[in-house]
Amino acid sequence: SQKIEQNSEALNIQEGKTATLTCNYTNYSPAYLQWYRQDPGRGPVFLLLIRENEKEKRKERLKVTFDTTLKQSLFHITASQPADSATYLCAPQTGANNLFFGTGTRLTVIP
Amino acid sequence: DTGVSQDPRHKITKRGQNVTFRCDPISEHNRLYWYRQTLGQGPEFLTYFQNEAQLEKSRLLSDRFSAERPKGSFSTLEIQRTEQGDSAMYLCALVEAANYGYTFGSGTRLTVV
Repeated sequence: SQKIEQNSEALNIQEGKTATLTCNYTNYSPAYLQWYRQDPGRGPVFLLLIRENEKEKRKERLKVTFDTTLKQSLFHITASQPADSATYLCAPQTGANNLFFGTGTRLTVIP
Repeated sequence: DTGVSQDPRHKITKRGQNVTFRCDPISEHNRLYWYRQTLGQGPEFLTYFQNEAQLEKSRLLSDRFSAERPKGSFSTLEIQRTEQGDSAMYLCALVEAANYGYTFGSGTRLTVV
């Protein structure tokens, strides 16, 4: 069956360090993979989309990699700040209307 | 302001009652989605509209659930004879065509008591 695993439920890091979140998927062949941020009581907010033919994508302090052989995406936040504390959701996308979400990793950046 | 307005933000209802949620896109979008999210889980797809046509429904959408998008703009999701298992956050989303990123509303949190 199809499965999306995000490395851990919770990740605590010190301010200024790089946070690395992992997303592994099985039984999917996504053409795209998206990452979202979700704050408590709010809807997810789109951060980045990476295509299957792209190895890496960057946006400000964010970097996403996509390895279709390993079936894995890594999400990095460099120079992390307490304001980056949130839940981050990985979402492989097999088509325009097929977006599947992982359970998320709750990141806490400690000042 | 996310570009998608959902109403109400919170709803508490007694088991067996019917509830209706509304999603209002601020600007025109062809594709509108409904997702459900329970505590500690990621959002799960419920249904999708292309303009006013409902093109896909998840198996999660039992016959107690119905969704409409009568004029291809706002959408409603109705749950009949609510059950405690229906307690969740119901999210509406639109597709940003340029990059396929979804724009989500803030959701309606339903509690069935």
